[in-house]
Amino acid sequence: AQSVTQPDIHITVSEGASLELRCNYSYGATPYLFWYVQSPGQGLQLLLKYFSGDTLVQGIKGFEAEFKRSQSSFNLRKPSVHWSDAAEYFCAVGATSGYNKLIFGAGTRLAVHP
Amino acid sequence: SAVISQKPSRDICQRGTSLTIQCQVDSQVTMMFWYRQQPGQSLTLIATANQGSEATYESGFVIDKFPISRPNLTFSTLTVSNMSPEDSSIYLCSVHPGPGDEQFFGPGTRLTVL
Repeated sequence: AQSVTQPDIHITVSEGASLELRCNYSYGATPYLFWYVQSPGQGLQLLLKYFSGDTLVQGIKGFEAEFKRSQSSFNLRKPSVHWSDAAEYFCAVGATSGYNKLIFGAGTRLAVHP
Repeated sequence: SAVISQKPSRDICQRGTSLTIQCQVDSQVTMMFWYRQQPGQSLTLIATANQGSEATYESGFVIDKFPISRPNLTFSTLTVSNMSPEDSSIYLCSVHPGPGDEQFFGPGTRLTVL
């Protein structure tokens, strides 16, 4: 069955510290991979996506993610967290052909301490 | 890209009533999706709405409870029928402009059922 696992429900980091949010997926083939962010009271914003090619993808707001096929992972990273990064982060997978739904992970809530 | 608007942005409703949520896209798209996000939870797909055909519902969701209309390529509605407090959620509309593209999400409709 297709699934996405985000093992960390809550993460707290200090402002300026580095960040890594974990995402593992189970899928029949190489899927499209996404990270979305949802700030309080806001809609979903796409941070970055992986479709093919370079396994290290750059996104908005200084985020990057690395696709590791051997580990079925797509972890999100940021070298220095800002207080405004406090939000809920969702990893999602989608099929690589046709029009298909996204399967979301449970989300990781990030808190940033000053 | 696609810009999506939803109406209403939020509502408070009484048990047993129904609410219709509208989703408007600024461009023609084939596939539209409706998601539910229960408090503190991730996104769960309710149904896929393809213009000109019946919506396809995910397991656990039925047409009598969540009827969907898709009259044209830029508009869809989701009705939450005979509401109970368990229906209190954020309902999000998304569009998938084409294969290999990302999904774009609306701002969501925050529903509270008393």
